Amino acid sequence: NAGVTQTPKFRILKIGQSMTLQCTQDMNHNYMYWYRQDPGMGLKLIYYSVGAGITDKGEVPNGYNVSRSTTEDFPLRLELAAPSQTSVYFCASSPVELGKNIQYFGAGTRLSVL
Amino acid sequence: AQTVTQSQPEMSVQEAETVTLSCTYDTSENNYYLFWYKQPPSRQMILVIRQEAYKQQNATENRFSVNFQKAAKSFSLKISDSQLGDTAMYFCAFMKFSGTYKYIFGTGTRLKVLA
Repeated sequence: NAGVTQTPKFRILKIGQSMTLQCTQDMNHNYMYWYRQDPGMGLKLIYYSVGAGITDKGEVPNGYNVSRSTTEDFPLRLELAAPSQTSVYFCASSPVELGKNIQYFGAGTRLSVL
Repeated sequence: AQTVTQSQPEMSVQEAETVTLSCTYDTSENNYYLFWYKQPPSRQMILVIRQEAYKQQNATENRFSVNFQKAAKSFSLKISDSQLGDTAMYFCAFMKFSGTYKYIFGTGTRLKVLA
């Protein structure tokens, strides 16, 4: 009963370092999303994917990259970490069928860039 | 572009009482979905309730119900018989009926249930 799994749960990076946030879902959902949540704010969409091999930018894509080589996995890459990327990151997935468009979220990754 | 506004940053309610959280949105779409999500201190986002805009009947899920006013673009959440476990951030979200199923989130309302 895993659902959406994100790793790691916490990470501290130095400015300029790079890292990959992992996201895996076992529900065979076509749609996957990456959000960031800054303190006191709602979630903002970074990137999303409508299926393996297809990705597109959301509201705040700068400084991030994604790939979707399989239905299950949707990793988010930070190439040159900056303090502005300190945030909590959420991955979500959703089935494509109309009427079943609820997004299922992972537990989040808290990232600090110092 | 769609926007979602939650004008109450924080609210509190006594245990067993009723509280209403407000949400307004702006869109030119006619068909869309609206959601309330709960985010407890554990950070896990949990769906509370969903409303399809083409349905006139307000959605209900146990102690949770909505007041959906399409003309006024208002979508409030009522929590009856509040419980300590209802303490959380509550986010209102909008999704277009078709396309890429992207959510637009409000900034959230922090609800504290008092014993």
